[in-house]
Amino acid sequence: GAVVSQHPSWVICKSGTSVKIECRSLDFQATTMFWYRQFPKQSLMLMATSNEGSKATYEQGVEKDKFLINHASLTLSTLTVTSAHPEDSSFYICSARDLQLASNEQFFGPGTRLTVL
Amino acid sequence: DAKTTQPNSMESNEEEPVHLPCNHSTISGTDYIHWYRQLPSQGPEYVIHGLTSNVNNRMASLAIAEDRKSSTLILHRATLRDAAVYYCILRDAIKAAGNKLTFGGGTRVLVKP
Repeated sequence: GAVVSQHPSWVICKSGTSVKIECRSLDFQATTMFWYRQFPKQSLMLMATSNEGSKATYEQGVEKDKFLINHASLTLSTLTVTSAHPEDSSFYICSARDLQLASNEQFFGPGTRLTVL
Repeated sequence: DAKTTQPNSMESNEEEPVHLPCNHSTISGTDYIHWYRQLPSQGPEYVIHGLTSNVNNRMASLAIAEDRKSSTLILHRATLRDAAVYYCILRDAIKAAGNKLTFGGGTRVLVKP
């Protein structure tokens, strides 16, 4: 199946700094990617839909100025957590669809664990 | 959005079948039933999906009730590697929002050796 990678797999940062997470589709093109956040023992929560060449669509309650999304190419989307605080510590997961597959199956990255001190 | 209801957890013995139920009484005619699973500290992975007919693949089988208000994911022989949280998700094939997956609580499957 298609592969989605994320970088870094984990990051620890100080409060107030910004952190960038990359999501890449390795063997397919993805005009749409999705960003999720997952707190311990909870389910995934969709944060935003990343659209190649246009602005991201954010879910209700997600601050677009805090979670900056850039989808500059068909294989790369980035999520930047700006001025991170301890409450932003979470597991961030991206996913992408291979439009050539009729199944609409989404392929998920391995996740990035963010810890803000 | 149509919602799904799943038991919080289930236990199974290794090499025995596991039947994971999912209720979706408000499902619409254009909703596909998708199953994903998430192993510990990993991103979710696709398991199977269907619309009306039962489906089989190398990972599992999906049995869909005739009225489509419920479905059951069947793992034929559970292995320790199948221990994960299994999510039953409805995806509308018509609406643009159907591109999104909305995760509920899922069922945590424990496999005992």
